[in-house]
Amino acid sequence: GAVVSQHPSRVICKSGTSVKIECRSLDFQATTMFWYRQFPKQSLMLMATSNEGSKATYEQGVEKDKFLINHASLTLSTLTVTSAHPEDSSFYICSVCRTNYGYTFGSGTRLTVV
Amino acid sequence: AQKVTQAQTEISVVEKEDVTLDCVYETRDTTYYLFWYKQPPSGELVFLIRRNSFDEQNEISGRYSWNFQKSTSSFNFTITASQVVDSAVYFCALSEGSNYQLIWGAGTKLIIKP
Repeated sequence: GAVVSQHPSRVICKSGTSVKIECRSLDFQATTMFWYRQFPKQSLMLMATSNEGSKATYEQGVEKDKFLINHASLTLSTLTVTSAHPEDSSFYICSVCRTNYGYTFGSGTRLTVV
Repeated sequence: AQKVTQAQTEISVVEKEDVTLDCVYETRDTTYYLFWYKQPPSGELVFLIRRNSFDEQNEISGRYSWNFQKSTSSFNFTITASQVVDSAVYFCALSEGSNYQLIWGAGTKLIIKP
């Protein structure tokens, strides 16, 4: 499958600041990437589908202005948590789907907002 | 509507015991894929298996085996001779046809005691 690199793996930020998370597809040109959020002891929740060169598709209940997604190239998608608050603290994971190979996930980013 | 149910929230066994994790799914599509992922405490999702709806053959990979039964809409996962390193949360997931979105089960936390 594809190799996906996610950075940073862990970030602590102050309330009110913005945090950018990068997801890179290292060996595959991904027109589509997925962003998930996972609260402690819960399953993954799809936040949005990132589309290269166009706007992301957000799931119901996910604030577009809060979670900015940019997929400017076939190998990079970024998720920016704007004006972060403690309730945004979570584990964020990106994913790439490659036909006939299935899904590959980044290693995740643990965000803590203090 | 599509759905994945993992009824077992947590399972605890002693090392070397066999353990089966249940997964029941719902879908109206005739073409779909089923997955199992392992999520150790580090958070990274580890791909275990993908099975398409037309392949009901059971699969064995070392100590891992999977039983796919369309008649009961189940895709159960068995670990034989469990080891402490098998301790993790295991997720079952479903994707339908050409839809890239994954439908996730709630996960089963597996604890293997030494």
